[in-house]
Amino acid sequence: KAGVTQTPRYLIKTRGQQVTLSCSPISGHRSVSWYQQTPGQGLQFLFEYFSETQRNKGNFPGRFSGRQFSNSRSEMNVSTLELGDSALYLCASTYGQGMETQYFGPGTRLLVL
Amino acid sequence: QKEVEQDPGPLSVPEGAIVSLNCTYSNSAFQYFMWYRQYSRKGPELLMYTYSSGNKEDGRFTAQVDKSSKYISLFIRDSQPSDSATYLCAMSEGGYNKLIFGAGTRLAVHP
Repeated sequence: KAGVTQTPRYLIKTRGQQVTLSCSPISGHRSVSWYQQTPGQGLQFLFEYFSETQRNKGNFPGRFSGRQFSNSRSEMNVSTLELGDSALYLCASTYGQGMETQYFGPGTRLLVL
Repeated sequence: QKEVEQDPGPLSVPEGAIVSLNCTYSNSAFQYFMWYRQYSRKGPELLMYTYSSGNKEDGRFTAQVDKSSKYISLFIRDSQPSDSATYLCAMSEGGYNKLIFGAGTRLAVHP
């Protein structure tokens, strides 16, 4: 069974631009969570989607948004990029909506110049 | 103060050593406790998953949870150079797939 896939793997943007990252969960998984990983703050929860609905959101500004499609694929968008948005963005998929094993993708490394 | 505290290391041990990794937390509502391993430029990989207090063993890995002390541990026996990675503890209150991570401990096992 294929794992979680994320595209693109690497991205370079400039301040003020916006970016869209994509995540395809493991087949059959309906929950997708997004995390930001930086050297200073570590891994921080962004938001979770289940059956196309956002169920939970972390403490990030409104510039960070996401959505989930009917096939469970998810996208996250960051608008008006800032230098501090440079990070590894990870998505994780889970079968159900309870507290189950989360399987992480390889991440998208975003560099904002 | 962070909800989950973890010493970032680095921790350097000789091959074959027993490694002890620890996290403390402040949120008494945490019920689910996990340890992830992350190799450089990879996503985290789940090693151990524990619900509530107690011990869990899987091969060379043992996870312990002491909810009364708000303290969790991961022990690695007979450590190997391939165990060199960053180890992240993670916790959740349950109900939602939201994990709170520690900072991660970088481990180096040298031959």
